[in-house]
Amino acid sequence: RKEVEQDPGPFNVPEGATVAFNCTYSNSASQSFFWYRQDCRKEPKLLMSVYSSGNEDGRFTAQLNRASQYISLLIRDSKLSDSATYLCVVNRGSSNTGKLIFGQGTTLQVKP
Amino acid sequence: EAGVVQSPRYKIIEKKQPVAFWCNPISGHNTLYWYRQNLGQGPELLIRYENEEAVDDSQLPKDRFSAERLKGVDSTLKIQPAELGDSAVYLCASSPMGNTEAFFGQGTRLTVV
Repeated sequence: RKEVEQDPGPFNVPEGATVAFNCTYSNSASQSFFWYRQDCRKEPKLLMSVYSSGNEDGRFTAQLNRASQYISLLIRDSKLSDSATYLCVVNRGSSNTGKLIFGQGTTLQVKP
Repeated sequence: EAGVVQSPRYKIIEKKQPVAFWCNPISGHNTLYWYRQNLGQGPELLIRYENEEAVDDSQLPKDRFSAERLKGVDSTLKIQPAELGDSAVYLCASSPMGNTEAFFGQGTRLTVV
């Protein structure tokens, strides 16, 4: 079993739809959590950090459930430009160092 | 501010040949990572440096892979000899000490034929 697991999709949704991605992690010692976005043939880039209280950035909402070891990303009012692969990332290091473990990614395709 | 720079962008080699990748991290970033990404998969950590020290190389196939980070700045990753299964994108990333956001370079796409 992989340390960080995601549904690979693809998720095909129409513009304006709301879509949710889920991620589970197996190591309870994990310290911090992120969602990265990766466009086709490009490098991953940080989309947002995930906090225990949940956090929102425009149309994007991330939530963390430490008890269930579960992370989610909600995208509202999907745009064509949201089409990408979304990578769930867990930091298994200490607070001052990073051991970033990536999930396999969930592919989103937003259609007109 | 310049980002993480990797070279070459693309490399095609025959199996059993050696190959090397180079990475220049963002200035001031103490942590440097090398990841390998296969098609349809997320990046897999090969090695992590804190300054010049390799603090995590448990995933590095040490029979054929080696890495170094002289003076705690630039880094090179070498494969010798390359195998067909090494075909992948090799990503370098860096982050500042105490901050775990990783900034990635554009990667080197390796094809072994």
